[in-house]
Amino acid sequence: AQSVTQLDSHVSVSEGTPVLLRCNYSSSYSPSLFWYVQHPNKGLQLLLKYTSAATLVKGINGFEAEFKKSETSFHLTKPSAHMSDAAEYFCVVNNAGNMLTFGGGTRLMVKP
Amino acid sequence: DSGVTQTPKHLITATGQRVTLRCSPRSGDLSVYWYQQSLDQGLQFLIQYYNGEERAKGNILERFSAQQFPDLHSELNLSSLELGDSALYFCASSAQGAENTIYFGEGSWLTVV
Repeated sequence: AQSVTQLDSHVSVSEGTPVLLRCNYSSSYSPSLFWYVQHPNKGLQLLLKYTSAATLVKGINGFEAEFKKSETSFHLTKPSAHMSDAAEYFCVVNNAGNMLTFGGGTRLMVKP
Repeated sequence: DSGVTQTPKHLITATGQRVTLRCSPRSGDLSVYWYQQSLDQGLQFLIQYYNGEERAKGNILERFSAQQFPDLHSELNLSSLELGDSALYFCASSAQGAENTIYFGEGSWLTVV
């Protein structure tokens, strides 16, 4: 069975500094991986997805993630944080048949 | 806006009651999914329908049931409600095919008092 571990439950950065949200997965085959973002009192918005094409995936709002099979990682990065990036981020693996398994979430806080 | 519409947005009800949550998928999407987000369990997959047929079941309680209608909208029925059922319930939809992106609605907040 697939599983996802988000290594940090909370990450705090200053505005304008880089963001790194870490995610490790386990899968018995090459998975599809996603990052979703949830702003307070909002639904889940897709940031980006990896589906076995390019290992470096670019998403919306300047985010990108790199799939590293040897490390079973799919970390999310952004060069420069904005206040509007403050939200909860979920790393997600797509099991067979589109059943998504969510990580525990990382709450990103951005300080002015 | 994902194109997935959920109603109601907020609902407060008493223990022992029954509620129905409604979802309209994105236009053309045949698959509908229900997820529960709670503080202690995180985000959990409940159930999936594809073109009216149940496709997969996750951690869905026997007190809960769902269905997808011919017009592809879906309803999640929660009965004999308990305090622990208080959560945010998401509906999501996707086009045909296992690799297609799943789009989420904004959720229905259920509070059981």
